[in-house]
Amino acid sequence: AQTVTQSQPEMSVQEAETVTLSCTYDTSESNYYLFWYKQPPSRQMILVIRQEAYKQQNATENRFSVNFQKAAKSFSLKISDSQLGDTAMYFCAFMKHAWGTDKLIFGTGTRLQVFP
Amino acid sequence: DVKVTQSSRYLVKRTGEKVFLECVQDMDHENMFWYRQDPGLGLRLIYFSYDVKMKEKGDIPEGYSVSREKKERFSLILESASTNQTSMYLCASSLGGGGDSPLHFGNGTRLTVT
Repeated sequence: AQTVTQSQPEMSVQEAETVTLSCTYDTSESNYYLFWYKQPPSRQMILVIRQEAYKQQNATENRFSVNFQKAAKSFSLKISDSQLGDTAMYFCAFMKHAWGTDKLIFGTGTRLQVFP
Repeated sequence: DVKVTQSSRYLVKRTGEKVFLECVQDMDHENMFWYRQDPGLGLRLIYFSYDVKMKEKGDIPEGYSVSREKKERFSLILESASTNQTSMYLCASSLGGGGDSPLHFGNGTRLTVT
């Protein structure tokens, strides 16, 4: 069975600074996807970034980038130039590569607070 | 934009009541999911459906059932609500293309069972 671990329940960062959220996972699968989702106070889960395990290049989306270390089973999220609107719960998630099922396994989340 | 709509944002029910949580998606997605979110536990999959009238148990199906009579609608049923089912419930849908089709979530229903 796959598991996803987020060891930082809470983090804080000052506006314009950089913060890194940690995520590790455990799987015996060789092909899979990893995701970071953001849940602001509005509760709407928003996809931040996605990484395919067979791609060595780290995914980036504007101010968001990942450090994907497949051998170490690590998938951290870096937020550059933090903004007040980045305040949210962040969830790391794993999906096995299996057509049609799309089941996500989530970590326990990291609550990020951005201070002015 | 994909829209996933959950019928209630907040719900208060009494122990023993039968509770229906409704979810509708407007993008003809094949897959639909019900997750439960609790502090410190993240999101846990209750049930999912990959086609009309098709369903599979997730990680925590006990005390729940589901219904999918139409492609766009996926209902979560608590046959006899208990206080330990007080939680946030999130519905999601996806096209069914694996990691290439991300899940789209509703805004959640916060259920309190008293």
